[in-house]
Amino acid sequence: AQSVTQLDSQVPVFEEAPVELRCNYSSSVSVYLFWYVQYPNQGLQLLLKYLSGSTLVKGINGFEAEFNKSQTSFHLRKPSVHISDTAEYFCAATGVGYGGSQGNLIFGKGTKLSVKP
Amino acid sequence: KAGVTQTPRYLIKTRGQQVTLSCSPISGHRSVSWYQQTPGQGLQFLFEYFSETQRNKGNFPGRFSGRQFSNSRSEMNVSTLELGDSALYLCASSLRGFEETQYFGPGTRLLVL
Repeated sequence: AQSVTQLDSQVPVFEEAPVELRCNYSSSVSVYLFWYVQYPNQGLQLLLKYLSGSTLVKGINGFEAEFNKSQTSFHLRKPSVHISDTAEYFCAATGVGYGGSQGNLIFGKGTKLSVKP
Repeated sequence: KAGVTQTPRYLIKTRGQQVTLSCSPISGHRSVSWYQQTPGQGLQFLFEYFSETQRNKGNFPGRFSGRQFSNSRSEMNVSTLELGDSALYLCASSLRGFEETQYFGPGTRLLVL
């Protein structure tokens, strides 16, 4: 079965420091990749997505991610974080081999980003 | 434009009962997906509906079912509730499917006693 692995369950970081949240996915002929953010007591919000084309994807709130096919990774980065970035971040994948005609959207377990002053 | 709304927001049921959750998508969105979020299993995809047809389904037992109406509103039903069904159930809508931006509702928190 296809899977998405988020390598860190918790990432503490100081304000204005850079951060990288790691995500690896199962290999697939064709894969769509997503990063979602969930702020405390709120629903999920799409940060960015990779469907095809440029491997560097820019999203909202200054986040970006790089699709690396050879390493089957889709790591999320931000050069300088703010207190307001404290939230849980989910990587997700769908595509050929993930089940269903358009895919069974598979989520990673999530990474809790804690930004300290 | 109004966002995705889910009703009720909180629900307490007992084992063996059934429950129906409702989701109203953003106007014009034809794809509605349902997800279960628990501390142990994380976020899991339940199913997706598009134009009143179930298009994709996750790995959940048949006790979990859903439907979509002609106005794209969707309901999810869980029969014979088990303690493990306690979770946050999230609904998301998009214009056409996963490859589009999905907009999530605030969720329905279900507690099964």
